[in-house]
Amino acid sequence: EVQLLESGGGLVQPGGSLRLSCAASGFTFRSYAMSWVRQAPGKGLEWVSAISPSGSSTYYADSVKGRFTVSRDNSKSTLYLQMSSLGAEDTAIYSCAKGRPFDSWGQGTLVTVSS
Amino acid sequence: EIVLTQSPGTLSLSPGERATLSCRASQSVSSYLAWYQQKPGQAPRLLIYGASSRATGIPDRFSGSGSATDFTLTISRLEPEDFAVYYCQQYGSSSCTFGQGTKVEIK
Repeated sequence: EVQLLESGGGLVQPGGSLRLSCAASGFTFRSYAMSWVRQAPGKGLEWVSAISPSGSSTYYADSVKGRFTVSRDNSKSTLYLQMSSLGAEDTAIYSCAKGRPFDSWGQGTLVTVSS
Repeated sequence: EIVLTQSPGTLSLSPGERATLSCRASQSVSSYLAWYQQKPGQAPRLLIYGASSRATGIPDRFSGSGSATDFTLTISRLEPEDFAVYYCQQYGSSSCTFGQGTKVEIK
């Protein structure tokens, strides 16, 4: 059974940084592209970032480009999202998703940006 | 960036009725179009990929059609568990985008 478990969310001040993790199990992690998707409270889905199976290619939404960095450690079956220069508009539940399209999702971790 | 526009925003129907949801892309996405269902407090679930292929375990009352810029998700007969929000997603470009969602609510 595929499992994706996000961690690292929390309360952060505007301008701050946070690193999210997504621990994967139940599939051959190194064979799949992975993505981050966020959902602000009461809002729709917003794709944030994606990374190729090897990690050699990364992609970002315009809203986070230059502030967020996606990476992966295939030896640990873990996906990461380093977030910096956070603003109130980044407050959301951040979820990782497997493949393309996204055939499995984690439950997400809440990031709240507030002073 | 490819923009996806879903319509209607809300669909009010009764169990047993047919639901037709639309998704229009600002430029061609070929058949790289997926549909997801999301219920409150739950992660989205992949329903349809490649515009018309059902994902594993998805009942055949769900069907997808379309290509290029115009796509449709049809639920032939609504079951109580089908009342939810539905999102389309294009994954044909290096960046993915989602539509804003259509809420299917009980009339």
